[in-house]
Amino acid sequence: DGGITQSPKYLFRKEGQNVTLSCEQNLNHDAMYWYRQDPGQGLRLIYYSQIVNDFQKGDIAEGYSVSREKKESFPLTVTSAQKNPTAFYLCASSTIGDSGNTIYFGEGSWLTVV
Amino acid sequence: GQQVMQIPQYQHVQEGEDFTTYCNSSTTLSNIQWYKQRPGGHPVFLIQLVKSGEVKKQKRLTFQFGEAKKNSSLHITATQTTDVGTYFCAGRTGNQFYFGTGTSLTVIP
Repeated sequence: DGGITQSPKYLFRKEGQNVTLSCEQNLNHDAMYWYRQDPGQGLRLIYYSQIVNDFQKGDIAEGYSVSREKKESFPLTVTSAQKNPTAFYLCASSTIGDSGNTIYFGEGSWLTVV
Repeated sequence: GQQVMQIPQYQHVQEGEDFTTYCNSSTTLSNIQWYKQRPGGHPVFLIQLVKSGEVKKQKRLTFQFGEAKKNSSLHITATQTTDVGTYFCAGRTGNQFYFGTGTSLTVIP
């Protein structure tokens, strides 16, 4: 089935550790995104990428890093520099270039710092 | 910078009552999309509006795009318990999507 796969669904991190969230899509989409959602809050853009080997910072990139070595993959690393990482992380993808680009979301990853 | 404001943040309605959420952008949008996120789930695409003044309907849901392409609304007629969730708008400028803060709808049976 086509879609976006995020893993793991639940992750616990000790303070001071880096963790990486996986995001894979088989929709042949050029653009991929990472959003953070805090309880009762909206979606805040962390990073986005519109082409392989290129990515841009979103509104809250500090403490996060990404890579886009393959079109299908856009992993997010939550570094120890992120002071409040406990949140729900959503990966998404879309086509680009015309006026209609539906965003498809993965099922999300819950990250908890313990 | 670009902002998309959405109101209200929360709405509680009795089953059968109507519900409306509004989005306003600080700049003109090329299109606006609406998403629904069920509790514990991920946002799912509902619809896209592109033309100035456009109105689209999906059963009990009516979506409108303002004449200036800066605001939009989602109206649900006669809410049902299955309508529970958070509704987000996402305005597009260039290749960027700007999400509203969402409206969390609770339907009381």
